[in-house]
Amino acid sequence: KNQVEQSPQSLIILEGKNCTLQCNYTVSPFSNLRWYKQDTGRGPVSLTIMTFSENTKSNGRYTATLDADTKQSSLHITASQLSDSASYICVVSAQGYQKVTFGIGTKLQVIP
Amino acid sequence: NAGVTQTPKFRVLKTGQSMTLLCAQDMNHEYMYWYRQDPGMGLRLIHYSVGEGTTAKGEVPDGYNVSRLKKQNFLLGLESAAPSQTSVYFCASRPTGQRGGELFFGEGSRLTVL
Repeated sequence: KNQVEQSPQSLIILEGKNCTLQCNYTVSPFSNLRWYKQDTGRGPVSLTIMTFSENTKSNGRYTATLDADTKQSSLHITASQLSDSASYICVVSAQGYQKVTFGIGTKLQVIP
Repeated sequence: NAGVTQTPKFRVLKTGQSMTLLCAQDMNHEYMYWYRQDPGMGLRLIHYSVGEGTTAKGEVPDGYNVSRLKKQNFLLGLESAAPSQTSVYFCASRPTGQRGGELFFGEGSRLTVL
Protein backbone atom coordinates (compact mmCIF):
# COMPACT_ATOMS: atom_id res chain seq x y z
CA LYS A 1 0.00 0.00 0.00
CA ASN A 2 1.28 3.43 -0.95
CA GLN A 3 1.96 5.55 2.10
CA VAL A 4 3.37 8.98 2.90
CA GLU A 5 4.50 9.76 6.44
CA GLN A 6 5.45 13.23 7.64
CA SER A 7 7.22 14.42 10.71
CA PRO A 8 6.91 16.22 12.98
CA GLN A 9 3.13 16.49 13.19
CA SER A 10 3.44 20.01 14.52
CA LEU A 11 6.19 22.51 15.11
CA ILE A 12 6.50 25.90 16.77
CA ILE A 13 9.47 28.12 15.92
CA LEU A 14 10.50 31.70 16.50
CA GLU A 15 10.32 34.16 13.67
CA GLY A 16 13.62 34.33 11.83
CA LYS A 17 14.65 30.77 12.69
CA ASN A 18 15.08 27.91 10.23
CA CYS A 19 13.26 24.60 10.26
CA THR A 20 13.16 21.32 8.37
CA LEU A 21 10.14 19.15 7.70
CA GLN A 22 10.46 15.48 6.79
CA CYS A 23 8.56 13.20 4.42
CA ASN A 24 9.06 9.44 3.99
CA TYR A 25 7.18 7.56 1.32
CA THR A 26 6.63 4.05 0.04
CA VAL A 27 4.87 4.98 -3.22
CA SER A 28 5.95 2.84 -6.13
CA PRO A 29 6.73 3.22 -8.96
CA PHE A 30 7.73 6.74 -8.07
CA SER A 31 6.92 9.60 -10.41
CA ASN A 32 7.29 12.83 -8.46
CA LEU A 33 6.91 14.44 -5.08
CA ARG A 34 5.34 17.79 -4.35
CA TRP A 35 5.23 19.93 -1.27
CA TYR A 36 2.05 21.93 -0.79
CA LYS A 37 1.38 24.77 1.63
CA GLN A 38 -2.08 25.00 3.13
CA ASP A 39 -3.00 28.16 5.00
CA THR A 40 -5.75 27.85 7.59
CA GLY A 41 -9.14 27.82 5.90
CA ARG A 42 -7.66 27.69 2.39
CA GLY A 43 -6.88 25.05 -0.19
CA PRO A 44 -3.35 23.64 -0.63
CA VAL A 45 -0.99 25.41 -3.01
CA SER A 46 2.02 23.75 -4.63
CA LEU A 47 5.45 24.97 -3.50
CA THR A 48 7.86 22.65 -5.28
CA ILE A 49 8.00 19.51 -7.38
CA MET A 50 10.77 16.91 -7.21
CA THR A 51 11.30 14.23 -9.83
CA PHE A 52 13.49 11.15 -9.63
CA SER A 53 16.56 12.86 -11.04
CA GLU A 54 16.39 15.96 -8.85
CA ASN A 55 18.14 16.21 -5.49
CA THR A 56 17.48 19.79 -4.50
CA LYS A 57 15.16 22.54 -5.60
CA SER A 58 14.61 25.99 -4.17
CA ASN A 59 11.65 28.34 -4.26
CA GLY A 60 12.63 31.51 -2.45
CA ARG A 61 13.15 30.64 1.22
CA TYR A 62 11.89 27.10 0.66
CA THR A 63 14.34 24.37 -0.31
CA ALA A 64 13.20 20.82 -0.98
CA THR A 65 15.48 17.81 -1.15
CA LEU A 66 14.85 14.31 -2.41
CA ASP A 67 16.71 11.07 -1.78
CA ALA A 68 15.06 8.57 -4.10
CA ASP A 69 17.19 5.71 -2.76
CA THR A 70 15.98 6.07 0.82
CA LYS A 71 12.58 7.44 -0.29
CA GLN A 72 12.89 10.54 1.82
CA SER A 73 12.26 14.22 1.17
CA SER A 74 12.70 17.30 3.29
CA LEU A 75 11.46 20.85 3.11
CA HIS A 76 13.76 23.43 4.64
CA ILE A 77 12.43 26.88 5.46
CA THR A 78 15.01 29.59 5.95
CA ALA A 79 14.53 32.76 8.01
CA SER A 80 10.94 31.95 8.84
CA GLN A 81 8.24 34.60 8.70
CA LEU A 82 4.86 34.79 10.40
CA SER A 83 3.25 34.13 7.03
CA ASP A 84 4.94 30.72 6.93
CA SER A 85 2.47 29.55 9.59
CA ALA A 86 0.53 26.86 7.75
CA SER A 87 0.29 23.13 7.19
CA TYR A 88 2.83 21.65 4.79
CA ILE A 89 1.68 18.58 2.94
CA CYS A 90 3.88 16.08 1.11
CA VAL A 91 2.18 14.53 -1.92
CA VAL A 92 3.65 11.66 -3.92
CA SER A 93 2.56 10.53 -7.38
CA ALA A 94 3.05 7.08 -8.83
CA GLN A 95 3.76 6.55 -12.49
CA GLY A 96 0.78 5.85 -14.67
CA TYR A 97 -1.86 6.51 -12.03
CA GLN A 98 -4.43 9.23 -11.64
CA LYS A 99 -4.30 9.11 -7.90
CA VAL A 100 -1.74 10.64 -5.61
CA THR A 101 -0.94 9.86 -2.00
CA PHE A 102 -1.15 12.64 0.55
CA GLY A 103 0.69 12.89 3.82
CA ILE A 104 -1.17 14.13 6.89
CA GLY A 105 0.90 17.28 6.92
CA THR A 106 3.09 19.17 9.38
CA LYS A 107 1.45 22.11 11.09
CA LEU A 108 3.99 24.91 11.46
CA GLN A 109 3.44 27.87 13.72
CA VAL A 110 5.86 30.79 13.57
CA ILE A 111 5.66 33.04 16.60
CA PRO A 112 7.09 36.56 17.08
CA ASN B 1 -8.24 34.84 -12.08
CA ALA B 2 -10.93 32.80 -10.33
CA GLY B 3 -9.18 29.40 -10.69
CA VAL B 4 -11.24 26.77 -8.84
CA THR B 5 -14.40 28.00 -7.12
CA GLN B 6 -16.45 25.97 -4.69
CA THR B 7 -19.97 26.71 -3.48
CA PRO B 8 -21.22 26.79 -0.84
CA LYS B 9 -18.33 27.47 1.53
CA PHE B 10 -20.28 26.42 4.62
CA ARG B 11 -23.33 24.24 5.10
CA VAL B 12 -25.08 22.59 8.02
CA LEU B 13 -27.33 19.62 7.30
CA LYS B 14 -29.49 17.32 9.35
CA THR B 15 -29.01 13.57 9.05
CA GLY B 16 -30.86 12.28 6.00
CA GLN B 17 -30.93 15.56 4.09
CA SER B 18 -29.43 15.87 0.66
CA MET B 19 -27.24 18.52 -0.90
CA THR B 20 -24.93 19.25 -3.81
CA LEU B 21 -21.52 20.89 -3.76
CA LEU B 22 -20.55 22.72 -6.92
CA CYS B 23 -17.02 23.06 -8.24
CA ALA B 24 -16.26 25.32 -11.18
CA GLN B 25 -12.88 25.87 -12.83
CA ASP B 26 -12.01 28.40 -15.50
CA MET B 27 -8.61 26.99 -16.50
CA ASN B 28 -9.92 24.53 -19.12
CA HIS B 29 -8.52 21.59 -17.14
CA GLU B 30 -9.47 18.07 -18.14
CA TYR B 31 -9.10 16.39 -14.77
CA MET B 32 -11.17 17.24 -11.73
CA TYR B 33 -11.24 15.71 -8.25
CA TRP B 34 -13.23 15.76 -5.05
CA TYR B 35 -11.36 15.19 -1.77
CA ARG B 36 -12.34 15.25 1.86
CA GLN B 37 -10.02 16.39 4.62
CA ASP B 38 -10.50 15.20 8.17
CA PRO B 39 -8.39 15.92 11.28
CA GLY B 40 -5.43 13.57 11.59
CA MET B 41 -5.86 12.21 8.06
CA GLY B 42 -4.47 13.12 4.70
CA LEU B 43 -6.71 14.28 1.90
CA ARG B 44 -8.75 11.34 0.64
CA LEU B 45 -10.07 11.02 -2.88
CA ILE B 46 -13.84 10.60 -3.16
CA HIS B 47 -14.45 10.69 -6.92
CA TYR B 48 -12.65 12.04 -9.93
CA SER B 49 -13.21 12.79 -13.60
CA VAL B 50 -10.80 12.62 -16.53
CA GLY B 51 -13.04 14.60 -18.85
CA GLU B 52 -16.52 15.84 -19.60
CA GLY B 53 -19.09 13.10 -19.18
CA THR B 54 -16.75 10.76 -17.26
CA THR B 55 -16.51 9.94 -13.57
CA ALA B 56 -14.69 7.34 -11.51
CA LYS B 57 -14.58 6.22 -7.88
CA GLY B 58 -11.78 7.17 -5.57
CA GLU B 59 -10.85 5.57 -2.28
CA VAL B 60 -13.88 6.72 -0.23
CA PRO B 61 -16.84 6.95 -2.67
CA ASP B 62 -19.62 5.46 -0.54
CA GLY B 63 -22.47 7.88 0.18
CA TYR B 64 -21.47 10.27 -2.59
CA ASN B 65 -22.34 10.72 -6.24
CA VAL B 66 -20.82 13.00 -8.85
CA SER B 67 -21.55 14.37 -12.28
CA ARG B 68 -19.48 16.17 -14.93
CA LEU B 69 -21.97 17.34 -17.52
CA LYS B 70 -19.81 20.30 -18.50
CA LYS B 71 -16.03 20.39 -18.64
CA GLN B 72 -15.77 23.30 -16.25
CA ASN B 73 -18.10 21.92 -13.57
CA PHE B 74 -17.87 18.95 -11.22
CA LEU B 75 -20.75 18.34 -8.82
CA LEU B 76 -20.59 16.30 -5.63
CA GLY B 77 -23.89 15.06 -4.23
CA LEU B 78 -24.87 13.64 -0.88
CA GLU B 79 -28.21 11.86 -1.19
CA SER B 80 -28.73 11.11 2.49
CA ALA B 81 -26.24 12.89 4.69
CA ALA B 82 -24.72 11.12 7.70
CA PRO B 83 -22.70 12.56 10.61
CA SER B 84 -19.66 10.65 9.28
CA GLN B 85 -19.74 12.95 6.26
CA THR B 86 -18.96 15.97 8.42
CA SER B 87 -15.74 17.17 6.84
CA VAL B 88 -14.05 19.81 4.73
CA TYR B 89 -14.42 19.07 1.04
CA PHE B 90 -11.91 20.22 -1.53
CA CYS B 91 -12.27 20.27 -5.27
CA ALA B 92 -9.14 20.24 -7.40
CA SER B 93 -8.32 20.29 -11.09
CA ARG B 94 -5.29 19.76 -13.27
CA PRO B 95 -4.54 19.86 -16.96
CA THR B 96 -3.38 16.92 -19.05
CA GLY B 97 0.20 16.72 -20.16
CA GLN B 98 1.54 18.94 -17.40
CA ARG B 99 4.75 17.66 -15.89
CA GLY B 100 4.18 16.40 -12.40
CA GLY B 101 0.44 16.99 -12.40
CA GLU B 102 0.10 20.02 -10.14
CA LEU B 103 -3.31 20.09 -8.50
CA PHE B 104 -5.12 23.41 -8.25
CA PHE B 105 -7.44 23.45 -5.26
CA GLY B 106 -10.53 25.40 -4.38
CA GLU B 107 -10.95 27.12 -1.04
CA GLY B 108 -12.91 24.24 0.48
CA SER B 109 -16.49 23.64 1.61
CA ARG B 110 -17.06 22.95 5.29
CA LEU B 111 -19.99 20.60 5.83
CA THR B 112 -21.47 19.74 9.20
CA VAL B 113 -24.07 16.97 9.49
CA LEU B 114 -26.04 16.97 12.72
